[in-house]
Amino acid sequence: DAGVIQSPRHEVTEMGQEVTLRCKPISGHNSLFWYRQTMMRGLELLIYFNNNVPIDDSGMPEDRFSAKMPNASFSTLKIQPSEPRDSAVYFCASSFLTGTSTTDTQYFGPGTRLTVL
Amino acid sequence: KNQVEQSPQSLIILEGKNCTLQCNYTVSPFSNLRWYKQDTGRGPVSLTIMTFSENTKSNGRYTATLDADTKQSSLHITASQLSDSASYICVVSARGNEKLTFGTGTRLTIIP
Repeated sequence: DAGVIQSPRHEVTEMGQEVTLRCKPISGHNSLFWYRQTMMRGLELLIYFNNNVPIDDSGMPEDRFSAKMPNASFSTLKIQPSEPRDSAVYFCASSFLTGTSTTDTQYFGPGTRLTVL
Repeated sequence: KNQVEQSPQSLIILEGKNCTLQCNYTVSPFSNLRWYKQDTGRGPVSLTIMTFSENTKSNGRYTATLDADTKQSSLHITASQLSDSASYICVVSARGNEKLTFGTGTRLTIIP
């Protein structure tokens, strides 16, 4: 298995532009998570999906952020318009949730490093 | 508010030495605690997962302990190797939801 795939790996854009990050979870996994990591705040959960349905989006910072999961093998995180404070590494992770969460390991992708100038 | 605090923030040790990283949490009700290793430029990788009833769990040279009464966990690394240089992140899950609370990590550097 190729693991969780994210694209692009690096993105540099100017303030005000739209940014779209993409994620392909591990085949067979039923849950997908979007995280943001910065030096100051560490890892923060933005949103997670179970069976393609958004379950908890309380971590999404503002209306400028939106996430979709149109099918089990693809998800996007969009920022529109982007701002310099959005600069961070964005990780996608997937897991197979069994309902007990005792052994549900999340597998992380390599991340997308976003720089907004 | 659910919180996870880790100490020290950073640690430098000589190759071959042992070290222990600490994690204190206030997440309630507790479900499980995980330790992740994150190499520079990569995503976190799970090392151990422990539930309320587990006191210790090992993964090779990594041994995690959990004291659910004091809400503390430690990660002990034995006979450190250069490849152990990474950030180690403590993550706690609350029962009833899949939301994880992350610590800010300990940056470990192994020097030859």
